[in-house]
Amino acid sequence: DTAVSQTPKYLVTQMGNDKSIKCEQNLGHDTMYWYKQDSKKFLKIMFSYNNKELIINETVPNRFSPKSPDKAHLNLHINSLELGDSAVYFCASSPLRSGELFFGEGSRLTVL
Amino acid sequence: SQQGEEDPQALSIQEGENATMNCSYKTSINNLQWYRQNSGRGLVHLILIRSNEREKHSGRLRVTLDTSKKSSSLLITASRAADTASYFCATDEGAQKLVFGQGTRLTINP
Repeated sequence: DTAVSQTPKYLVTQMGNDKSIKCEQNLGHDTMYWYKQDSKKFLKIMFSYNNKELIINETVPNRFSPKSPDKAHLNLHINSLELGDSAVYFCASSPLRSGELFFGEGSRLTVL
Repeated sequence: SQQGEEDPQALSIQEGENATMNCSYKTSINNLQWYRQNSGRGLVHLILIRSNEREKHSGRLRVTLDTSKKSSSLLITASRAADTASYFCATDEGAQKLVFGQGTRLTINP
């Protein structure tokens, strides 16, 4: 069974569109994250949720809106997509008080 | 903010040799972690070393931490072709926030 799963794996869309990426973890972890990895492999935290509550919001444009319907799910909605949003978006989860992150396989977003 | 910075950015060695990657960081940390990322895949946790630890081993991996120099190293002994990947250090700044460096691309040549 996949521990952290995200869909879709690939997403190609036009500038100005709105898109969503979904993430689910079956590990029973309390905390979930969204990270963005750019073309130079630099991995930057975007958001963190602990038990459905937003903890970290790293100065991400408000076109990005995370939503956590329950502690096993963290979705990412992006409005008015821009070329610079092209990247690989990773969802991750971690147990409370443990630093280790468990990553999904990534969702590659390409904005044309 | 980018915390960990890996060195070198790329490393190519022969199978069977040892590979050493270094990580430097700027502020105080709770722990430092190393992750591996195979091409096109997600990151996989390798090892975590706490700020009060100096060295840790896991199989062919050896991690050291020098908090006075704000640096860490990852040693992979007896490398294999399957070790080809990017390796990232990540520092725990507290508040459950891990900050990653840009990684070292390791290539093991058969």
